Order: sequence, then structure tokens, then C-alpha cells
Amino acid sequence: QVQLVQSGAEVRKPGASVVLSCKASGYTFTTYYIHWFRQARGQGPEWMGIINPSGGTTSYAQQFQGRVTMTRDTSTGTVYMDLSSLRSEDTAVYYCARSAIIEPAGMDVWGQGTTVTVFS
Amino acid sequence: EIVLTQSPGTLSLSPGERATLSCRASQSVPSSYLAWYQQKPGQAPRLLIYGASSRATGIPDRFSGSGSGTDFTLTIRRLEPEDLAVYYCQQYGSSPGFTFGPGTKVDIK
Repeated sequence: QVQLVQSGAEVRKPGASVVLSCKASGYTFTTYYIHWFRQARGQGPEWMGIINPSGGTTSYAQQFQGRVTMTRDTSTGTVYMDLSSLRSEDTAVYYCARSAIIEPAGMDVWGQGTTVTVFS
Repeated sequence: EIVLTQSPGTLSLSPGERATLSCRASQSVPSSYLAWYQQKPGQAPRLLIYGASSRATGIPDRFSGSGSGTDFTLTIRRLEPEDLAVYYCQQYGSSPGFTFGPGTKVDIK
């Protein structure tokens, strides 16, 4: 079945970096964008950026420019999100989600989420 | 950047009643690229509606979406206890895009 499976929970100290993964299966990897969102406790989802698995092109939300890097490995169908210079405000659940490249129709499949905790 | 506002913040209704949720955009949403999601505690968001009015795969016809331009509505007919959740609208038509509204919490009495 179509699914996105994310890596496990992470704990980091302020100033450190974290790399999260999102492995796609059950569909053609290069026909859907992958987005990353994060959601702090009690808040709505916040869009972080997008990657086109076909060519690897990316676009990031302005507030994360310079701190986030998204890459993909087409051989394994996996997308990675690297977030650096972590601070306590980055504590959140991070989700990946897909959306169709042709005929956009919202984010129809989501990963299960990865909890990132940043504290000293 | 398009900013979305949702009302009401919380909706408390009894099973069988109709829920009407509103989403207003700060500027016209291109091509009605407006989606609605349901999020239950501890779960990822679930796509309900895309293109303002098209139901996603597997979504019951109790859920319907309408609207265009800057004003959109999600209607849930005949509320069921399992509909307890936060409902978000999202625009996915402009860059920097994919912004969510603040959500409407639906409580079941």
C-alpha cells in the first residue's frame, strides 16, 4: 500500500543538527512532491519546504532558509530533511507528506510523524 | 503570502447535528487550491477535501466542501462521535504556499 514511513524520535541539544528521513513505498517516487511540515504542541502544521524527487529541486519557507536542506535518494525512495542550529523552539512533531506533481490535489498521504526534542 | 483565518475556534455539537466550518483567505486562492484536513489527537492530518469541493479517496459523503475566491466552507452532516477532531483548511495554490489556518476544534457533546 501507499505509505510514507519516517525515522524515529530524536533528542538534540541547542546548536546541534538533526537529519530526519521519510521513505516512500507503493507508488512511483518521482511523480509526487514531498513536503515537510512541523507541528508544535497545540499549534497547526507549519510548512517548511518541498522537494521534487524527480530532479531534486527544492523550495524552502523563508523562516527556514539557511537552516534547512532537503535531499532525496531515488535508489531507495527516501527523502531527507536536515535542520541545523537547533533551538528549543524547534521542538515539534515533524511530518513528511506527498502531493501530486501533475494536477495538485492536496497532501493525500502523510508519514506518521517524528518527534524532535531540543533541550539542554 | 495568503493568510487563512478559521471560525469558529471551537464548535460543540451533539451527534446527528450539522457542523459548518468557515475558512477565509486574505486574498483569492488560485484555482480554488483549498483543502480541508481532519486531525485527531496523536495522529497526522488526514486529507478530507481538495480543490475546495472534491472529496478525497475514502471520505464519507457526510463531508462536503464549498466556496471559491476568499470564502470556503466545510460541512459535516450528521455528526458522529468519531468526528471529534481539529479541522484545518490549507491553501496550496501560491508560493510561498501550503499555509494552514489555525484550525477549528469540533467537540461532540
